[in-house]
Amino acid sequence: EVQLVESGGGLVQPGGSLRLSCAASGFTFSSYWMSWVRQAPGKGLEWVANIKQDGSEKYYVDSVKGRFTISRDNAKNSLYLQMNSLRAEDTAVYYCARRGGYPLGYYFDYWGQGTLVTVSS
Amino acid sequence: EIVMTQSPATLSVSPGERATLSCRASQSVSSNLAWYQQKPGQAPRLLIYGASTRATGIPARFSGSGSGTEFTLTISSLQSEDFAVYYCQQYNNWPPVTFGGGTKVEIK
Repeated sequence: EVQLVESGGGLVQPGGSLRLSCAASGFTFSSYWMSWVRQAPGKGLEWVANIKQDGSEKYYVDSVKGRFTISRDNAKNSLYLQMNSLRAEDTAVYYCARRGGYPLGYYFDYWGQGTLVTVSS
Repeated sequence: EIVMTQSPATLSVSPGERATLSCRASQSVSSNLAWYQQKPGQAPRLLIYGASTRATGIPARFSGSGSGTEFTLTISSLQSEDFAVYYCQQYNNWPPVTFGGGTKVEIK
């Protein structure tokens, strides 16, 4: 059974940092692109970042470029999101999601349960 | 960036009735469109990809259609567990993949 379990969320002050983790199991983690998708309270879904199987390609939504860094450790079956210079508008539930449809498609076939990040003083 | 627009924002439907949800892309996305269902407090669940292919385990009452810029998700006979928010997502031009704003299907 595919499982994605996020951790690391919490309350942080504006300008602060946080590192999210996602532990994957039930599939060959190193064979899949992975992504972070967020959802602000009461709002819709927003893709944040993604990373290729071997970490050689990474992409970010414009609003987080230069502040967030996605990474992975295939030996530990883990995905990470380092978030720096956090802003109030980064407040959201952050989901770890697996890419489906490779190589032609990019939809999300499995999602974690999410971890809440609150940026507030 | 491709903008996805969903309508209506809220759809009121009685159990057993048909629900039709729309998704429009600001430019052609071919058939590179997915649909998700999200219930309160839960993660989204993939329903449809490739505009019309049901994901594993998705009941046949869910169907997707369309190509180019106009897409439809149809739920043929609404069950109690289908009341939720539905999102479309394009993956024809990425990054970024982009989502629609969602349609809430509520009990009439």
